[in-house]
Amino acid sequence: QKEVEQDPGPLSVPEGAIVSLNCTYSNSAFQYFMWYRQYSRKGPELLMYTYSSGNKEDGRFTAQVDKSSKYISLFIRDSQPSDSATYLCAMTHSGYALNFGKGTSLLVTP
Amino acid sequence: GAVVSQHPSRVICKSGTSVKIECRSLDFQATTMFWYRQFPKQSLMLMATSNEGSKATYEQGVEKDKFLINHASLTLSTLTVTSAHPEDSSFYICSARDLAGGTNTGELFFGEGSRLTVL
Repeated sequence: QKEVEQDPGPLSVPEGAIVSLNCTYSNSAFQYFMWYRQYSRKGPELLMYTYSSGNKEDGRFTAQVDKSSKYISLFIRDSQPSDSATYLCAMTHSGYALNFGKGTSLLVTP
Repeated sequence: GAVVSQHPSRVICKSGTSVKIECRSLDFQATTMFWYRQFPKQSLMLMATSNEGSKATYEQGVEKDKFLINHASLTLSTLTVTSAHPEDSSFYICSARDLAGGTNTGELFFGEGSRLTVL
């Protein structure tokens, strides 16, 4: 079993919809959880970063961590076509190298 | 925010030649840089951890003699793909952690990536 599981999609939603992206993990030692956005042919860029269980909000983005269920989520409100990208979850316990999910491809249609 | 610059962004080479990719942290110092490889529709896979002034640590299955990593300064790490073959064609991405960000935060900044195509 891979340490981080993420549904690759693709996920297609209409503009303005609420998007929910999820990852599960198996290593209970993971403490730091990130979401990266990657546009085609570009490197990943950090979107959200959380340390503990609970919710963290930044504009239209909300990251949620449930350590008891080993489950993390990223919600995007009022989705825009510019949000179309691949979203990668990542996590670590050592503070260094990250363990990535496969990424979920999101398409927001006008 | 912190910026990591990677060069070249795209390179095409003939089979058997060597290619060098540079990774620079532009406005911060990084004792540790990481090199990842990403095949199409796959996630990023860690290849090696590059430590300034010492030998790189390679992940299992990554040939250290093929992927030479040099981390000569706190702002520069290089990855050289030696005797490249078509199966080495991939997207190579480096990342670095800002020393000022403290320890064990896990927060990394990524370069834009280098797309290598070996003919």
